[in-house]
Amino acid sequence: SQELEQSPQSLIVQEGKNLTINCTSSKTLYGLYWYKQKYGEGLIFLMMLQKGGEEKSHEKITAKLDEKKQQSSLHITASQPSHAGIYLCGAARSSASKLTFGTGTRLQVTL
Amino acid sequence: EPEVTQTPSHQVTQMGQEVILRCVPISNHLYFYWYRQILGQKVEFLVSFYNNEISEKSEIFDDQFSVERPDGSNFTLKIRSTKLEDSAMYFCASSLTVNNSPLHFGNGTRLTVT
Repeated sequence: SQELEQSPQSLIVQEGKNLTINCTSSKTLYGLYWYKQKYGEGLIFLMMLQKGGEEKSHEKITAKLDEKKQQSSLHITASQPSHAGIYLCGAARSSASKLTFGTGTRLQVTL
Repeated sequence: EPEVTQTPSHQVTQMGQEVILRCVPISNHLYFYWYRQILGQKVEFLVSFYNNEISEKSEIFDDQFSVERPDGSNFTLKIRSTKLEDSAMYFCASSLTVNNSPLHFGNGTRLTVT
């Protein structure tokens, strides 16, 4: 199975600061999905990356998939309390039918 | 915005009992999934379902588990004889296609087996 490592495991940042979360795969990724989870709730889809070198942005969140398709980063600019939660990367092996998830990065944003 | 809905939000059952977790996927989606998350652990794939049959399943999805789409809107996960280790958050998801479209997850059903 595909192993995904996320770093850091947890992060505390002051409101307004930028931050980056990384997701590294032991194998080439077919596709990489970023989700956000709040405690006790479901996974909220953020972004999907499929091509090496691809970069997507939504509001203040940018995600990139490196050329070799084995690492992805999620960058948040000018963090806000609403960004707090657990960020999960999910890897598709041959298709999105079966996603393997990382252990998550817990983000806290302080005032 | 359309969403995946799951009921109940919390289910408590005794060991050995059968439980059915219910999901209403997004209406035009064709692919359906169940994932679970044991407290403090990763989200794990259980099963995918397309065209009224299982397309892929994990090792976790043994003979105690079954899925069904009994009508045009519901998608269910049945656990025949629950065990303590089945206690987890169960997430239903759906997608329009199997590639090139994201999985949309419901808010989950927290199953507690006592």
